Amino acid sequence: GAGVSQSPRYKVAKRGQDVALRCDPISGHVSLFWYQQALGQGPEFLTYFQNEAQLDKSGLPSDRFFAERPEGSVSTLKIQRTQQEDSAVYLCASSLVEGHNNEQFFGPGTRLTVL
Amino acid sequence: AQSVTQLGSHVSVSEGALVLLRCNYSSSVPPYLFWYVQYPNQGLQLLLKYTSAATLVKGINGFEAEFKKSETSFHLTKPSAHMSDAAEYFCAVSVSTGANSKLTFGKGITLSVRP
Repeated sequence: GAGVSQSPRYKVAKRGQDVALRCDPISGHVSLFWYQQALGQGPEFLTYFQNEAQLDKSGLPSDRFFAERPEGSVSTLKIQRTQQEDSAVYLCASSLVEGHNNEQFFGPGTRLTVL
Repeated sequence: AQSVTQLGSHVSVSEGALVLLRCNYSSSVPPYLFWYVQYPNQGLQLLLKYTSAATLVKGINGFEAEFKKSETSFHLTKPSAHMSDAAEYFCAVSVSTGANSKLTFGKGITLSVRP
């Protein structure tokens, strides 16, 4: 596809359920980022991959959050035992190469609602 | 650590009027600065970026921003607002430490354009 895609676009989970959010970056993009955007706030960094290597996971809020990118393309963000405070939009972004001069292209996000 | 402050959460202008969205940053090292726009149910789209090449940066859709180190500011302007400019705008900063070019975002400003 032409851009970053994410699925599902909307997810409703009962508290305690596990969820998996998928990101398909632009083909060939080396860097992949996950951000969490709470209602009325700006996106906040969760984790970063360079190819298949997770180089920074300092933004993950708890050990219930886990991300992977096993083949260096598609990435999955998994949240175990979801809590109400996990309700947010989860954004994925990719960039062609590493570097601050390189644009991050964002997907439309997955809106997670935990009841 | 770096941070971004966007004062006010909502700006309303008349169609054809000047748009001014304020952004101040905090960084202990030279920053890279970005403005992103987010339309409803869409991902963030890059408007423009400052990477130290020139202090006045021109972006898409007629927007521009000026980097002022003395004021630690990177305000976004557009001479004449159009109805299609109504959206949420985020200022973001990235610093050149390590391999991770993660973005730190402000809380965002919602721009409304009155006919």
